[in-house]
Amino acid sequence: DQQVKQNSPSLSVQEGRISILNCDYTNSMFDYFLWYKKYPAEGPTFLISISSIKDKNEDGRFTVFLNKSAKHLSLHIVPSQPGDSAVYFCAASANNNDMRFGAGTRLTVKP
Amino acid sequence: KAGVTQTPRYLIKTRGQQVTLSCSPISGHRSVSWYQQTPGQGLQFLFEYFSETQRNKGNFPGRFSGRQFSNSRSEMNVSTLELGDSALYLCASRLAANYEQYFGPGTRLTVT
Repeated sequence: DQQVKQNSPSLSVQEGRISILNCDYTNSMFDYFLWYKKYPAEGPTFLISISSIKDKNEDGRFTVFLNKSAKHLSLHIVPSQPGDSAVYFCAASANNNDMRFGAGTRLTVKP
Repeated sequence: KAGVTQTPRYLIKTRGQQVTLSCSPISGHRSVSWYQQTPGQGLQFLFEYFSETQRNKGNFPGRFSGRQFSNSRSEMNVSTLELGDSALYLCASRLAANYEQYFGPGTRLTVT
């Protein structure tokens, strides 16, 4: 069962523009959400997270928005840079139990 | 501080064989989780170990098993390999109180 869904397998944006990656979830018990970035031949690396008690968390060029009523979160990258090109995974957890991941979105930032 | 290490990095096995993968977590991390990554499926949760006990388990058949040692190192075993088991197997460790996981580079398993 896909409790976390990333419906866009790929996204291409121009350098300097905004990248918006989306994620939907079905389990209302999820209380913590994370974004991971993965380069080829490497394991995913933690990027940014948000607790369900918040609706926004910002870290430099990265901002995550959470809409609990819509069970939707998004990651905004502004401005996008070529080095941001990677696969981005959305993940969610309930009560600090096992983490559920989406299928990933491949972001390509063109110079 | 050294990161999560996984051995071997690449493995080729024949259908029907069994395989053991190893993971060494970051020092001080007592929680170790295993994931299977296949194209289009993202990361599928296999199991999590904490202090040598399996704490959570995903929806995988019993052919997939694991264990954790007293030094927090973990092994994952897959018996009677099937072609569909070809995947990247990722191990991640974390402090039990934190959500953020730190991943190793993975073991690429190919079953022929």
